[in-house]
Amino acid sequence: DTAVSQTPKYLVTQMGNDKSIKCEQNLGHDTMYWYKQDSKKFLKIMFSYNNKELIINETVPNRFSPKSPDKAHLNLHINSLELGDSAVYFCASSQGPGEPWPQHFGDGTRLSIL
Amino acid sequence: AQKITQTQPGMFVQEKEAVTLDCTYDTSDQSYGLFWYKQPSSGEMIFLIYQGSYDEQNATEGRYSLNFQKARKSANLVISASQLGDSAMYFCAMREGMWRDKLIFGTGTRLQVFP
Repeated sequence: DTAVSQTPKYLVTQMGNDKSIKCEQNLGHDTMYWYKQDSKKFLKIMFSYNNKELIINETVPNRFSPKSPDKAHLNLHINSLELGDSAVYFCASSQGPGEPWPQHFGDGTRLSIL
Repeated sequence: AQKITQTQPGMFVQEKEAVTLDCTYDTSDQSYGLFWYKQPSSGEMIFLIYQGSYDEQNATEGRYSLNFQKARKSANLVISASQLGDSAMYFCAMREGMWRDKLIFGTGTRLQVFP
């Protein structure tokens, strides 16, 4: 069973479109995250949610809107896609802060903007 | 300033040899955690090993060990008996503070294992 699953794995779309990436975890974790990995492989956190509550919101354009319908799901919606949004987006989950729990990552969604 | 520095963009090692991947960090927090992740060419991120700032012993997980030198603020990953399947990108990451849950990543080291 996949612990953290993201769909789709690949997303190719045109500038200006709106798209969503879905993430689900079956680990029973309380905290979920979105990270962006750029073309140079640099990983940076975008958002984190703990029990459906937004905890971390880095300096991300407000075209990016995370939504957590329940603690097992964290989706990422992106409006008005731009060329610079091309990247790999990773969802992750953990048991949360305060303990040395690792973050478990999904396989990533490769977003390509034409 | 970089919080996590990985100075080796690429490393080569022969199969069955040991290799050390360097990681230095910068924080003023007393409580923090250090992680290593592996990213094979297939793209997924795989957790390898964790070291807490208060852990007195170096962490070990199978062929992976973490050489933690707190005074030098370094947390190097040692892979013993390298295998061809160890070829991948390796990322060092830090979580600052007990209650902040943000991982800060280094730029990664690409390890290539040759026969």
